[in-house]
Amino acid sequence: GENVEQHPSTLSVQEGDSAVIKCTYSDSASNYFPWYKQELGKGPQLIIDIRSNVGEKKDQRIAVTLNKTAKHFSLHITETQPEDSAVYFCAASKGAAGNKLTFGGGTRVLVKP
Amino acid sequence: ETGVTQSPTHLIKTRGQQVTLRCSSQSGHNTVSWYQQALGQGPQFIFQYYREEENGRGNFPPRFSGLQFPNYSSELNVNALELDDSALYLCASSLVEVQETQYFGPGTRLLVL
Repeated sequence: GENVEQHPSTLSVQEGDSAVIKCTYSDSASNYFPWYKQELGKGPQLIIDIRSNVGEKKDQRIAVTLNKTAKHFSLHITETQPEDSAVYFCAASKGAAGNKLTFGGGTRVLVKP
Repeated sequence: ETGVTQSPTHLIKTRGQQVTLRCSSQSGHNTVSWYQQALGQGPQFIFQYYREEENGRGNFPPRFSGLQFPNYSSELNVNALELDDSALYLCASSLVEVQETQYFGPGTRLLVL
């Protein structure tokens, strides 16, 4: 089955700096890659997603890139703010051909003011 | 907020007991997925329900079962609770046409003593 690896497990950045989280996946049939943000005591919140027919997608300070050949995708957060502090999860899915999300292990991001 | 609600928020049970967790999907969503999130880990797919039938299952034993109702709400039942069942149980709703795009509720924290 699919396996998703996520790095780093923790990330500390200064407010205003950029944060980058990287994920690799094993199943070449995966074609949908969402990113979730989970704050303490809450469920995961979908922040951005990308499909395999797109190499990059941006939404304000958040961007995701996908390299299907290398089977890895990354989340980029620019101009980080203290409210960006949370645990971030990447996930992979086979889209219409599958119904489950396989998650990475998570990255705890701390933005220091 | 996603509009997905779960109850109860917290629950304490003892080993061997049975538990029922409930989920109301986001308005208009007809598919419900359940995930187990152990402390410090990413969510793991338990199963998905569409049209009141199981539509895919992860690597969980049969003592994990579910139901979906005509109004698309859902229940997760766990029999013969074990200590390792202690986790955050997350419900996610989606449209069957885009079932991979899943929106999570706040979760139910289950502690098994």
